[in-house]
Amino acid sequence: NAGVMQNPRHLVRRRGQEARLRCSPMKGHSHVYWYRQLPEEGLKFMVYLQKENIIDESGMPKERFSAEFPKEGPSILRIQQVVRGDSAAYFCASSPPGLAGNTGELFFGEGSRLTVL
Amino acid sequence: AQKVTQAQTEISVVEKEDVTLDCVYETRDTTYYLFWYKQPPSGELVFLIRRNSFDEQNEISGRYSWNFQKSTSSFNFTITASQVVDSAVYFCALSEKDSDMRFGAGTRLTVKP
Repeated sequence: NAGVMQNPRHLVRRRGQEARLRCSPMKGHSHVYWYRQLPEEGLKFMVYLQKENIIDESGMPKERFSAEFPKEGPSILRIQQVVRGDSAAYFCASSPPGLAGNTGELFFGEGSRLTVL
Repeated sequence: AQKVTQAQTEISVVEKEDVTLDCVYETRDTTYYLFWYKQPPSGELVFLIRRNSFDEQNEISGRYSWNFQKSTSSFNFTITASQVVDSAVYFCALSEKDSDMRFGAGTRLTVKP
């Protein structure tokens, strides 16, 4: 039973380029969360999605960042016109339907590390 | 809104010492879940423990133990006889029912030989 899969594990972009990070949740999971970890900091919640719906995007920067979780395929976190301050580790997590109604546990991927030159 | 505070930013101990990492949380819900994760230098998040709000029993797993006290809203983590491999950043986290997980800022533990 594969865990949460994130790719790429490492991504290097120049300022102004676009970054796309992908997350495939665990089998049977329909809830996806994205977290950002800036260097030497903790994880900050960004967005919570279900299939084809954004449930909570209160942690997403207002500009340049977007996320989707289509009916088919992985969830995508997209960062347009990247800046150096976007350099961070981006973690995806998933949970089964009803999420925290059961155990509250999120299952994390290994993270995607974005470096903006 | 839920909130997690890890007041200790960095702790340094010598191998074989015991060390306690503090975690204090805030929530208005009566149903919630508390977690500890370890993030070693390699960067991945390693799940250590989950505790729900109705289970105040303390837990021991090998050299790890957790002390959950609702009266003080704390969920502290103790490593007994620390080892160099315990060096990592440790995160405490809280999730409320039907809500996302919120993390503390983390405590960086360095265990010196």
